[in-house]
Amino acid sequence: NAGVMQNPRHLVRRRGQEARLRCSPVKGHSHVYWYRQLPEEGLKFMVYLQKENIIDESGMPKERFSAEFPKEGPSILRIQQVVRGDSAAYFCASSHDKNTEAFFGQGTRLTVV
Amino acid sequence: DQQVKQNSPSLSVQEGRISILNCDYTNSMFDYFLWYKKYPAEGPTFLISISSIKDKNEDGRFTVFLNKSAKHLSLHIVPSQPGDSAVYFCAAGGGTSYGKLTFGQGTILTVHP
Repeated sequence: NAGVMQNPRHLVRRRGQEARLRCSPVKGHSHVYWYRQLPEEGLKFMVYLQKENIIDESGMPKERFSAEFPKEGPSILRIQQVVRGDSAAYFCASSHDKNTEAFFGQGTRLTVV
Repeated sequence: DQQVKQNSPSLSVQEGRISILNCDYTNSMFDYFLWYKKYPAEGPTFLISISSIKDKNEDGRFTVFLNKSAKHLSLHIVPSQPGDSAVYFCAAGGGTSYGKLTFGQGTILTVHP
């Protein structure tokens, strides 16, 4: 019974490139959440998705960032034209429904050089 | 605006003694509180939660206390073990989904043998 799987674990991108982070939720979970942790800070909510729908994107930067959770396949967090300030750990979490605990993946550490 | 605060960046405790981690919040709309434990280079692991209708929840060595009037919660670990050494995050949620959480900055707990 696999937990939340995120890949890649580490990603290095040059400024201006695109970063694609993937998240496969726990089997049977249809709610996915993305968080970002900057160095020395706590996790910050970015976006909440349910299959094929964005429920809440109040924590997403207005430009360059997008997320999707298609009917089939993993959830994708996409960052276009990355900048140094995007360097962070990005965590995905999933839950069975909106009123149960979310379980986190191991994160993707993005480094922009 | 830090809605969830953990004012102690670190805590050092002797093995076998009690560890008390504290957390304060400002948003009265929060109705669900959780504690997560995090090791370096890993995702947060859910520990224990409490609903706003309760003032205490216990699970083995872990007990969470909630004082709604003071907007304060605490995590007690008794007895503390060296394997408990990690970063502990307090998180609060409610409303849209219990997966959309506001995290504190974390407290580094070190348990000495």
